[in-house]
Amino acid sequence: NAGVTQTPKFQVLKTGQSMTLQCAQDMNHEYMSWYRQDPGMGLRLIHYSVGAGITDQGEVPNGYNVSRSTTEDFPLRLLSAAPSQTSVYFCASTRRDQNTEAFFGQGTRLTVV
Amino acid sequence: SQQGEEDPQALSIQEGENATMNCSYKTSINNLQWYRQNSGRGLVHLILIRSNEREKHSGRLRVTLDTSKKSSSLLITASRAADTASYFCATGEAGNNRKLIWGLGTSLAVNP
Repeated sequence: NAGVTQTPKFQVLKTGQSMTLQCAQDMNHEYMSWYRQDPGMGLRLIHYSVGAGITDQGEVPNGYNVSRSTTEDFPLRLLSAAPSQTSVYFCASTRRDQNTEAFFGQGTRLTVV
Repeated sequence: SQQGEEDPQALSIQEGENATMNCSYKTSINNLQWYRQNSGRGLVHLILIRSNEREKHSGRLRVTLDTSKKSSSLLITASRAADTASYFCATGEAGNNRKLIWGLGTSLAVNP
């Protein structure tokens, strides 16, 4: 099993550019989430999904879109990149059951110049 | 907003010593989880303790949970240089298991 796979690992964008961060999991998990991690800020939830076709906003959703057309994939779209979106992005998946752990991808380090 | 607050923010110890990290939270929870993050890598799950449990062990890890004080502690015994990492607590809220709420982490350095 690959677990949770994120691509790319690194990305540099110019202000105003758009891009999609990819996330795929092969564990048939219902729940998937996107976080950003900034120094001294811990993990902040951007968007999450409880199943295919269902998404919801987290703490910091502005400037990001998500979709969940399949159970496996949960891409994160940056609509018009801003320097404030420079961060490390993590995708995570978990089973629907309560009291279950989250599995994380290795992260995407994004720099917006 | 962050629910968990880890304490201390940073900890430096010698190999062989024990390391204790604490986490406090604010709301009712289903469970509390501890994760580890090596520099620049993804988070790895260490241990989950349910709200009706008070203590749990996994190898050199011991976690306690005091729901009356809304706090948890993670003890790593006989630490090794390879334990150097950041440690995060996360809570699964009661009645809402759709997302975890994270603390800011404790950075642990174990010196050889």
